[in-house]
Amino acid sequence: NAGVTQTPKFRILKIGQSMTLQCTQDMNHNYMYWYRQDPGMGLKLIYYSVGAGITDKGEVPNGYNVSRSTTEDFPLRLELAAPSQTSVYFCASSLQGSNQPQHFGDGTRLSIL
Amino acid sequence: QQQVKQSPQSLIVQKGGIPIINCAYENTAFDYFPWYQQFPGKGPALLIAIRPDVSEKKEGRFTISFNKSAKQFSLHIMDSQPGDSATYFCAAANAGNMLTFGGGTRLMVKP
Repeated sequence: NAGVTQTPKFRILKIGQSMTLQCTQDMNHNYMYWYRQDPGMGLKLIYYSVGAGITDKGEVPNGYNVSRSTTEDFPLRLELAAPSQTSVYFCASSLQGSNQPQHFGDGTRLSIL
Repeated sequence: QQQVKQSPQSLIVQKGGIPIINCAYENTAFDYFPWYQQFPGKGPALLIAIRPDVSEKKEGRFTISFNKSAKQFSLHIMDSQPGDSATYFCAAANAGNMLTFGGGTRLMVKP
């Protein structure tokens, strides 16, 4: 099983460019999440989805957009990249409900110069 | 604001030692407290988790101690090994399964 797959692994963007971080999972999980991890900090929730067609904001959603057209895919879009968005981005998924372990991908390291 | 505070930020122990990582939370609505282990270049992976109706949980060499009245919980790693060198995150979740993470502890176990 591949689990949660994120692409690309690394990317360098110029200020003002846009890009989409891809995330797909093959575990048939309803819940999916996007986090960012800054150096020396814990992970912060950007957006989450409880099922296809349903998304909601997390703690730090500004500058990002998401969509969830299928159970498997949960892409994260940066429209106008800013240096403050330099970070490592992690996608995760879990079964529906509380106390369910979240399964993480290996991340996308994004630098904006 | 929901917060989970984790300490220390970094920890160095000798092989066989017992590193202890502490976390404190504020929101009494949290009802699930997992610990994640992260190796360089990888995503976090669930290590062990506890619910507040239990004061201690052991899985292999890893133990969570939970103090509901103090709103604190900690991770102990018995007989630590160099392979345990990683970053450890505590977290807390409410009924919606949304995780709030601590800031992380970078552990180094020296041979």
